[in-house]
Amino acid sequence: GIQVEQSPPDLILQEGANSTLRCNFSDSVNNLQWFHQNPWGQLINLFYIPSGTKQNGRLSATTVATERYSLLYISSSQTTDSGVYFCAVCTGTASKLTFGTGTRLQVTL
Amino acid sequence: EAQVTQNPRYLITVTGKKLTVTCSQNMNHEYMSWYRQDPGLGLRQIYYSMNVEVTDKGDVPEGYKVSRKEKRNFPLILESPSPNQTSLYFCASSLSLWGPQATEAFFGQGTRLTVV
Repeated sequence: GIQVEQSPPDLILQEGANSTLRCNFSDSVNNLQWFHQNPWGQLINLFYIPSGTKQNGRLSATTVATERYSLLYISSSQTTDSGVYFCAVCTGTASKLTFGTGTRLQVTL
Repeated sequence: EAQVTQNPRYLITVTGKKLTVTCSQNMNHEYMSWYRQDPGLGLRQIYYSMNVEVTDKGDVPEGYKVSRKEKRNFPLILESPSPNQTSLYFCASSLSLWGPQATEAFFGQGTRLTVV
């Protein structure tokens, strides 16, 4: 099956700093999403981005499908950004989203 | 508001006592699925459903049952829970995960289940 790797695995930032999270996948995808899992365990949809670039406030994402990677940018980080960030992909006729290994982000004051 | 609703959010139960976790979506989605999340193992699919009366096994179906009698509901049934089913469970729905109608999947709030 498809492999989805995220980097870095852990990230500690001071409030106000910027960061880039990366998601590499091993096969062509037709569905890619970024999620934020907050400290209460909820999975929050950030972006549906199988290709191209999107922005939502301080967050933006870019997927280069031909090169099999996606990037999530967080600018001016806040403590509420803490949690685990997952990318998840779906290939061809697959019946599920395959989740990456996650990036655990901690934003400190 | 478009959403996927799971109940209960938290549950502690004893080994062998049958339980059902409900999942309901209000987006008229055809696809629904259950995942479990465990430390070190990530999120793994338990069962999925492409439409009413159509269900199939995911990666870790043992010990679970599902049904899809109505489009909006997709309950997860543990007929005889065991401690190794202690986990965080998520229900998800989507119009479609692939093809020209591929859209994003929405996840419920999660159900933390502890089996003692």
